[in-house]
Amino acid sequence: GDSVTQMEGPVTLSEEAFLTINCTYTATGYPSLFWYVQYPGEGLQLLLKATKADDKGSNKGFEATYRKETTSFHLEKGSVQVSDSAVYFCALKPLGGAQKLVFGQGTRLTINP
Amino acid sequence: DAGVIQSPRHEVTEMGQEVTLRCKPISGHNSLFWYRQTMMRGLELLIYFNNNVPIDDSGMPEDRFSAKMPNASFSTLKIQPSEPRDSAVYFCASTQGPGQGPYEQYFGPGTRLTVT
Repeated sequence: GDSVTQMEGPVTLSEEAFLTINCTYTATGYPSLFWYVQYPGEGLQLLLKATKADDKGSNKGFEATYRKETTSFHLEKGSVQVSDSAVYFCALKPLGGAQKLVFGQGTRLTINP
Repeated sequence: DAGVIQSPRHEVTEMGQEVTLRCKPISGHNSLFWYRQTMMRGLELLIYFNNNVPIDDSGMPEDRFSAKMPNASFSTLKIQPSEPRDSAVYFCASTQGPGQGPYEQYFGPGTRLTVT
């Protein structure tokens, strides 16, 4: 079945460091791909998305590129801030009409000043 | 827009009691999802509805859990009887659809349930 695998956390970085959180997926065809972010005490919110191969999603300085050849959707940011501390979830929407998402296990990110 | 509304935000109950969690989706959204989040198991989809009809309840852990959506603006998740292992944060989310679009799911703030 469809699945998403994220790099193990937690990840701890210093402010202004470069961030990469790896995400790979298994799915039939061309699913849509998402990154969601969960700040402490809140629900998940969409960070960015990509709907077809080679698409790049971007938001708030974060980027991720849909790579069909490597079935990956890695999240990157050039210079992280303390306010980026959160849990990040990679997810896919399988091909077809159902709106169900398949989530990865989440990666906890802590940014130290 | 008020977003997805969940109540209560926190619930503490004793083992064996009935618990009812409530959700109001965003107006105009046709799909509604119930998730459970724990440290051990991460984020799990329990059930989802399209146009008030349950489509996939394969994630519901056992018969103690039930969910209803009597109309487009209200859903409940009930646990009866509750057990300590049900302690978790329960999220409700809604989205446009069903359809081909990759519609964003909007999450509520969650209900933190503690069963003692």
